[in-house]
Amino acid sequence: SQTIHQWPATLVQPVGSPLSLECTVEGTSNPNLYWYRQAAGRGLQLLFYSVGIGQISSEVPQNLSASRPQDRQFILSSKKLLLSDSGFYLCAWSAPSLNRVGVLDTEAFFGQGTRLTVV
Amino acid sequence: KQEVTQIPAALSVPEGENLVLNCSFTDSAIYNLQWFRQDPGKGLTSLLLIQSSQREQTSGRLNASLDKSSGRSTLYIAASQPGDSATYLCAVDRNSGNTPLVFGKGTRLSVIA
Repeated sequence: SQTIHQWPATLVQPVGSPLSLECTVEGTSNPNLYWYRQAAGRGLQLLFYSVGIGQISSEVPQNLSASRPQDRQFILSSKKLLLSDSGFYLCAWSAPSLNRVGVLDTEAFFGQGTRLTVV
Repeated sequence: KQEVTQIPAALSVPEGENLVLNCSFTDSAIYNLQWFRQDPGKGLTSLLLIQSSQREQTSGRLNASLDKSSGRSTLYIAASQPGDSATYLCAVDRNSGNTPLVFGKGTRLSVIA
């Protein structure tokens, strides 16, 4: 079965410090990978998504970046954190595939999230 | 640009009630619609996936319907329990399945014992 691991669960970082959040998926190959941020009262905001190694699409320009060094590894980074980077960061994966009746199944699965507080 | 709206934003019901959560989307050219549950401080748990060719999906006490042409989905929860208290999120695929989900802001449900 497939599992997704995201760490750390919580993180407190000072303004201006670097950031690295890691997400790995097990039990599937060539998944689509996603980073979302959830801020209070604002819903889930897509930050980055990747359909393959080295392929990163950015939805919102900001001081964050993402990398996919391996097929099932997705990393969210920042060189210098801002106060506004605080939030709940969620990694997700999907593996679009045709089901037995020929319809594309695109179900997405999420990690447990990282609560980032920038102080 | 696809926009997803969930109504109501919050809902409080007594235990045992049947309830309906609503989700609407502006662009009917979706591939699939997915309902999630989120407990406070936790990640999202997938509840139901409705493919665009389907009209509803059921899992236990949950039933989700999809009216693609009118841009609406509902999540029906039968015989609600305190353990159902959580935020429920609706999300749609933009089109081909290789693009990310677009989410509503969720409905925060409280079931009172």
